[in-house]
Amino acid sequence: EDQVTQSPEALRLQEGESSSLNCSYTVSGLRGLFWYRQDPGKGPEFLFTLYSAGEEKEKERLKATLTKKESFLHITAPKPEDSATYLCAGTSYDKVIFGPGTSLSVIP
Amino acid sequence: NAGVTQTPKFQVLKTGQSMTLQCAQDMNHEYMSWYRQDPGMGLRLIHYSVGAGITDQGEVPNGYNVSRSTTEDFPLRLLSAAPSQTSVYFCASSYSRLYGYTFGSGTRLTVV
Repeated sequence: EDQVTQSPEALRLQEGESSSLNCSYTVSGLRGLFWYRQDPGKGPEFLFTLYSAGEEKEKERLKATLTKKESFLHITAPKPEDSATYLCAGTSYDKVIFGPGTSLSVIP
Repeated sequence: NAGVTQTPKFQVLKTGQSMTLQCAQDMNHEYMSWYRQDPGMGLRLIHYSVGAGITDQGEVPNGYNVSRSTTEDFPLRLLSAAPSQTSVYFCASSYSRLYGYTFGSGTRLTVV
């Protein structure tokens, strides 16, 4: 059965304390792996798409990487404004499967 | 650019009532979809459309109906509301399933 899981469920960091979020997937015929950021009461906001193992993409303090079984979202020197829920999703030809998300809190 | 616009933002329905959630996009995207988001379950696909006149079911289609008469609009109809349909509903659009989605701001629906 195709599925996407994320860990940890929640993460609390001090400002400046770097860490990584994990997204593990089993999606048959994976065509792409997406990362989104979701703020409370809002819709998800697109961050990255990764298409093949070994690919990396960066945006400000965020870097996403992809292997054949999982993806990581690395957060370097986070700031309080990085607090949000981060969602990953795997897409194949006929479906998109979202993970449950990791809730990140960055404490000043 | 408005992006994806959803209305209403909040709605309370009584069991058995029907209603339509509106979704409009101004990016000329062919692919549009409806998701529901429930705590601990992630986003689940209800229905999607790959272009005007074409719709298909997603993971949790029961109790919902859609149509796509124009590229811009993709309304979601609840036929006879049930408490199990209490959720936050998101509309999303994209050039295709292989590109990142633009989401609307959501409709928070409560069925009592």
